[in-house]
Amino acid sequence: DIQMTQSPSSLSASVGDRVTITCRASQGISNDLVWFQQKPGKAPKSLIYAASKLQSGVPSKFSGSGSGTDFTLTISCLQPEDFATYYCQQYNSYPVTFGQGTRLEIK
Amino acid sequence: EVQPVESGGGLVQPGGSLRLSCAVSGFTFSDHYMDWVRQAPGKGLEWVGRSRNKTKSYTTEYAASVKGRFTISRDDSKNLLFLQMDSLKIEDTAVYYCARLYCSGGRCPFDYWGRGTLVTVSS
Repeated sequence: DIQMTQSPSSLSASVGDRVTITCRASQGISNDLVWFQQKPGKAPKSLIYAASKLQSGVPSKFSGSGSGTDFTLTISCLQPEDFATYYCQQYNSYPVTFGQGTRLEIK
Repeated sequence: EVQPVESGGGLVQPGGSLRLSCAVSGFTFSDHYMDWVRQAPGKGLEWVGRSRNKTKSYTTEYAASVKGRFTISRDDSKNLLFLQMDSLKIEDTAVYYCARLYCSGGRCPFDYWGRGTLVTVSS
């Protein structure tokens, strides 16, 4: 199975900040990576697919980059609604696997 | 609006069975692959399995941890996805999510998720 390792596991930031979360795959996955956001009791929301393509309706403050084994999610100008847990997920090969999550908290 | 809605969760004893449903609307269900994913309390996300679409003859894939115990099926006429869970174990306790995949060029990322339904396996 492909292991997905996210860092950091938690992050404190202030409203207006710009933050970056990284995700590393244990082997190359081309650009077959999704980033999604999860809030308690809500449906997870896909933000980025194919490592860098914005899902429809997602604001451009979210951006993704990377290919192969190393990927990043950047969120600019943090707003209160952005504080949540973020996950990466690879869909290059079975089984689909997920990072352990990054909890973004208000400082 | 695309919004899968899971149901059927609850409390079941070890060794028991439960069937989850995922009702979908807002898109042509038969065109899409659908997956089940679970999240144990305080734990990360684990892929459970996949139902491919009509074009791919509704073939399925399963995680090793559930293969032989769980069965995914679908009823395209009713826009429903199912997860039949048999021989349940305590470690199957989790919130179960269904998710739609959008396949293009042979790549199939998730795009829409439901809110999940809680399954608790306990005596």
